[in-house]
Formats: sequence, structure tokens, C-alpha cells
Amino acid sequence: DTGVSQDPRHKITKRGQNVTFRCDPISEHNRLYWYRQTLGQGPEFLTYFQNEAQLEKSRLLSDRFSAERPKGSFSTLEIQRTEQGDSAMYLCASSPMAGSTGGYTFGSGTRLTVV
Amino acid sequence: AQKITQTQPGMFVQEKEAVTLDCTYDTSDPSYGLFWYKQPSSGEMIFLIYQGSYDQQNATEGRYSLNFQKARKSANLVISASQLGDSAMYFCAMRTGFQKLVFGTGTRLLVSP
Repeated sequence: DTGVSQDPRHKITKRGQNVTFRCDPISEHNRLYWYRQTLGQGPEFLTYFQNEAQLEKSRLLSDRFSAERPKGSFSTLEIQRTEQGDSAMYLCASSPMAGSTGGYTFGSGTRLTVV
Repeated sequence: AQKITQTQPGMFVQEKEAVTLDCTYDTSDPSYGLFWYKQPSSGEMIFLIYQGSYDQQNATEGRYSLNFQKARKSANLVISASQLGDSAMYFCAMRTGFQKLVFGTGTRLLVSP
């Protein structure tokens, strides 16, 4: 297993367009997390899944954002009608059920630029 | 609410010297975990070290050690014998109840030859 994969690495889109990002977690990890990181800040929690169930969503996740993990494996994060304020790095992480010592593995992120 | 505070926006250290990166936390949950991550310019978050709230001993991982002072709610990262490759952003994070991580704003470390 090569770790958590995110695709694409970079995305430039025009304001108002829809974008979708994909995350492939470590195969035996039950939990999957999405974070957003803006310039000069630490990552902020967006949402997380345990298997296919979305268990928590941050207030940061407006109605334009939706995340899915249909079969408890990969996950997608879609942003509709993108705005310039959506420009950020979107990080995905996965962890086993216990999620304890160092159990979170992060992907390399998708950097979104909205022009 | 859970909060992580990193008060050092940037730190400079010479190669082979030790450096301490500060982290204080706030939570009312008696059970929590504290993490340090390194983020190079490429963007990935690299796990460095973990400390559980009930752990009696300070965590160590190679050149990294965590100075855990529970009463002061601090969890400082100590990097011994700094290397040029240590230059990166460093984030302190905390996990409570729902398993998500709460991050601080980070400290940029620059190691000079």
C-alpha cells in the first residue's frame, strides 16, 4: 500500500465552475477525513466518514460542498459554484478505527485555485 | 471548545543545534491525544510524534521528543541535532472525542548551515 492518494494534485478553475476531488485512503483504514488549509493556516476539519457513513460535518462545509464515500473505500469532495474564497489546499487523511498513536495518514493534497 | 496555540510564527536554528517549538492546548476532555506533524513545501503532512493524555512518560521518536507538561497544558516539540532537511512548517494538533484533529497555526522552522 502506497499510502493516501489524492487526485488531482493541482486544479485551476474559473469562478462558478464545479470541481471534484478524489481521495483513495489506505485500504484497511475505516475512517476518512477531509481538511482544508488556507495559506499561512493550519488544516481545518471539514468532514469525516466511518466506512460509508458521514458522521460529522463542520460548519465550514457550506451547502456548495458535498462529500461521499459510496462503498467505504475512496471518497470524493465536490464543490459547486466555486468562489475565490474556496482557493486552498484540500487534504485527505485516513485512520484505522482506533485512530490512535500516529494513526492518521495524510495525502499530498489537492491545491485548488479559483480565478 | 478545543484549541491549539502555536505562538512562534518562525524559528531559526543552526545545523546540529537543538530547537524547541512551542504548543499549548485547551480542552476540557480528560482523554486526548497530541500530535506533531511536519509539512514540507510539497504539502504533505508527515507524522512525527504522538503523546496520549494518560501517558506517564514523554514521547520520543529518534531526534524528536515531546515535552509534555499536563498541568501547564503544553506539548512542546524538541528537535535535537537539527538537519537542513528539517526546514519546514510544523503543526501541533490535538484529537478528542470524535477523532478529528484540531491544528494550530504552525511554526516555520528554518535550519541554516
